[in-house]
Amino acid sequence: AQSVAQPEDQVNVAEGNPLTVKCTYSVSGNPYLFWYVQYPNRGLQFLLKYITGDNLVKGSYGFEAEFNKSQTSFHLKKPSALVSDSALYFCAVSVSGGYQKVTFGIGTKLQVIP
Amino acid sequence: EPEVTQTPSHQVTQMGQEVILRCVPISNHLYFYWYRQILGQKVEFLVSFYNNEISEKSEIFDDQFSVERPDGSNFTLKIRSTKLEDSAMYFCASTVRGSYNEQFFGPGTRLTVL
Repeated sequence: AQSVAQPEDQVNVAEGNPLTVKCTYSVSGNPYLFWYVQYPNRGLQFLLKYITGDNLVKGSYGFEAEFNKSQTSFHLKKPSALVSDSALYFCAVSVSGGYQKVTFGIGTKLQVIP
Repeated sequence: EPEVTQTPSHQVTQMGQEVILRCVPISNHLYFYWYRQILGQKVEFLVSFYNNEISEKSEIFDDQFSVERPDGSNFTLKIRSTKLEDSAMYFCASTVRGSYNEQFFGPGTRLTVL
């Protein structure tokens, strides 16, 4: 079984400060890891993914994430937060060889304070 | 840019009624999915569909649910006899292939069962 944990229901950060949204995962096999963002009354938008290779992956809107195999983590980061980054962020995992069932975390609400 | 579309955006129905939620995946995609998100909760996988058959389904996807790709473009989710607990946002998603590919999500259909 695959699972994702997002330990923080909400993260508050001041505009211009760096942000981190945490994610840990559990899978049997090689993980494929994703971050999605959801704005109010909207669907999920893809931000970035880790498949293989460099542990630091860069994505849309200046976001990046670091894959750490030993800690089974995939934390989302951004060097300088914008008010427009305020949204709900979902970490997700799938596993190679499957039919791409994606398991989502419960989501973390990011609030960027002006 | 191609996108996944869903209709209707909001569906209100009486308990026990049948509903059909419709999706048009991105045209060159081969794998199709339905997810649901109960208000305030995480996104849950319902079913994946490939090559005109269900490839994987969750425990939520019981006999009341069915999916169909009636033509080359539409992908539908039918709930035969809706229950109050079926009230949720339902997302359709599609991907080209491979569990390493991100899924593209539609904007969702909000289903309200009264």
